[in-house]
Amino acid sequence: GQQVMQIPQYQHVQEGEDFTTYCNSSTTLSNIQWYKQRPGGHPVFLIQLVKSGEVKKQKRLTFQFGEAKKNSSLHITATQTTDVGTYFCAGRKSGGGADGLTFGKGTHLIIQP
Amino acid sequence: NAGVMQNPRHLVRRRGQEARLRCSPVKGHSHVYWYRQLPEEGLKFMVYLQKENIIDESGMPKERFSAEFPKEGPSILRIQQVVRGDSAAYFCASSPVGHYDGAGNTIYFGEGSWLTVV
Repeated sequence: GQQVMQIPQYQHVQEGEDFTTYCNSSTTLSNIQWYKQRPGGHPVFLIQLVKSGEVKKQKRLTFQFGEAKKNSSLHITATQTTDVGTYFCAGRKSGGGADGLTFGKGTHLIIQP
Repeated sequence: NAGVMQNPRHLVRRRGQEARLRCSPVKGHSHVYWYRQLPEEGLKFMVYLQKENIIDESGMPKERFSAEFPKEGPSILRIQQVVRGDSAAYFCASSPVGHYDGAGNTIYFGEGSWLTVV
């Protein structure tokens, strides 16, 4: 079945440093979504990427979708304490079909002030 | 929280009992998804339902687990004869249209139901 791998599992940064999480799928994706989950909270949708090579920005967050539509990254510039949480990518395999989203295991972002 | 309501938020059950988790989707959403999250893990898809129909239950264990989304009322995830391994957070999500339209659609998650089996 489809697998979505995310690295790193944990990332400690000093406040103000940059942060990047990477997502790789075993199969070509039709689209990929990113979610943020605060400790004890629920996943909150951040963004969806659909096109090959697509890059989207939300303030300090930059999302990329690979040319082959099998990998993606999320980069946060100048992290703040409010960025703390777990960032999940979730992909839907290309070709449709009745599968739900496949989530990566997430990257836990820990920020030291 | 985009309006998906889940209850109970926390549920404690003894081994062998039944757990019923309820989910009311965002108003106007007819597509509901259930995901399970173990500690330090990502979310695992369990089942996708539309009103009165199970569309995809490929992630649901074959035994003890069932889900429904009746014409009236919330979606229910039912776990019979719970075991310790069922302890997890169960998230419900909803969307206005199905997942499978190519461009994809945002799904909105509820705050989750935390099941603890003792």
